[in-house]
Amino acid sequence: KNQVEQSPQSLIILEGKNCTLQCNYTVSPFSNLRWYKQDTGRGPVSLTIMTFSENTKSNGRYTATLDADTKQSSLHITASQLSDSASYICVVSANRGSTLGRLYFGRGTQLTVWP
Amino acid sequence: DADVTQTPRNRITKTGKRIMLECSQTKGHDRMYWYRQDPGLGLRLIYYSFDVKDINKGEISDGYSVSRQAQAKFSLSLESAIPNQTALYFCATSEGAANQPQHFGDGTRLSIL
Repeated sequence: KNQVEQSPQSLIILEGKNCTLQCNYTVSPFSNLRWYKQDTGRGPVSLTIMTFSENTKSNGRYTATLDADTKQSSLHITASQLSDSASYICVVSANRGSTLGRLYFGRGTQLTVWP
Repeated sequence: DADVTQTPRNRITKTGKRIMLECSQTKGHDRMYWYRQDPGLGLRLIYYSFDVKDINKGEISDGYSVSRQAQAKFSLSLESAIPNQTALYFCATSEGAANQPQHFGDGTRLSIL
């Protein structure tokens, strides 16, 4: 069964600290893995997209890693800010050649950054 | 202006009523999607459309219908709303290529009493 599991479910950190969110998946065949940020009351916004051949990709203070062998990904947030408080969603796309395949969504990690 | 616009943003209605949620986009994407988000659950796909003449059911299409009026417009209807359809609904668009992101609207919060 194709699944995407995220941990932890929620996380509280102090402003300025770093944190790492985890994503494990069983989706096969694999095409790419996406991380989205969803602010309260808003739609998800894409942070990174990584294909099978990419081990790491950064977007500002956000760095995603991918280990396609163990089917694990992490999202590392550096020097957190209050505006990082959001839900972070891991999404895995099944392989459908060059076109976008079915997407499998994790339940998200709710991050709260305290001043 | 937002690239993907959903209307209304909030709606409260009664069981048995017919409801239409609308989505319009200015990104020029062919693909459009409707998702439902419930607390503690991941986004679930209701319907999707790859172009104006193409409509496909997603994971949870029962109780819903859609209409793709134009490339830029995709609406979701609940023919006879029931309380367990209370949820946050998102419209999204994308290009067809495998490595392109989806672009989401800001959602419609629907409450059915």
